[in-house]
Amino acid sequence: GQNIDQPTEMTATEGAIVQINCTYQTSGFNGLFWYQQHAGEAPTFLSYNVLDGLEEKGRFSSFLSRSKGYSYLLLKELQMKDSASYLCAALDSNYQLIWGAGTKLIIKP
Amino acid sequence: GAVVSQHPSWVICKSGTSVKIECRSLDFQATTMFWYRQFPKQSLMLMATSNEGSKATYEQGVEKDKFLINHASLTLSTLTVTSAHPEDSSFYICSSREEASGGFSYEQYFGPGTRLTVT
Repeated sequence: GQNIDQPTEMTATEGAIVQINCTYQTSGFNGLFWYQQHAGEAPTFLSYNVLDGLEEKGRFSSFLSRSKGYSYLLLKELQMKDSASYLCAALDSNYQLIWGAGTKLIIKP
Repeated sequence: GAVVSQHPSWVICKSGTSVKIECRSLDFQATTMFWYRQFPKQSLMLMATSNEGSKATYEQGVEKDKFLINHASLTLSTLTVTSAHPEDSSFYICSSREEASGGFSYEQYFGPGTRLTVT
């Protein structure tokens, strides 16, 4: 079956760095997305990786290892507004998104 | 980026009534739109894939006669929750991907969501 695993909740301190991991098992693979979702709002796009390696975009970076079925989202210089759920989603062979349950990130002052 | 609008943003209805939710792609054509449901503290659950000009494809466990989807044009898809019950109360989100001849963008653009409360 298809499965996405990510931690349920993480806590970090304002100004620090946090890494949110995601492992996936899908029927075929056409890339991995990270979305941010604030409570009561729709998800917003953060990143898309289809090749191995690290992609940096400002304070956020995303890494992919296709051979390991593994990705992580790295958030630097954490701000209070980064408190949100972070959703990992893999695109399968049918170009359908398979969603993880999301990681709730709590930022403390 | 592409913009998807959704209307209404929230609705309260009585049990037994029907509610229609609209999803529009504002600046791109969307052959395919996706409808999700999200319960509190849970992840997105894909309900159905809506295809312009044809019947929607429903995920296992989603009642097609209860959740009616119509995708009449390249910019509009509607979800009608028929005979709503309190357990249908949820956050409904639509999304789409930008499509052009020869392919489509993998990124999904989400509407702002509709919070449905059935009393």
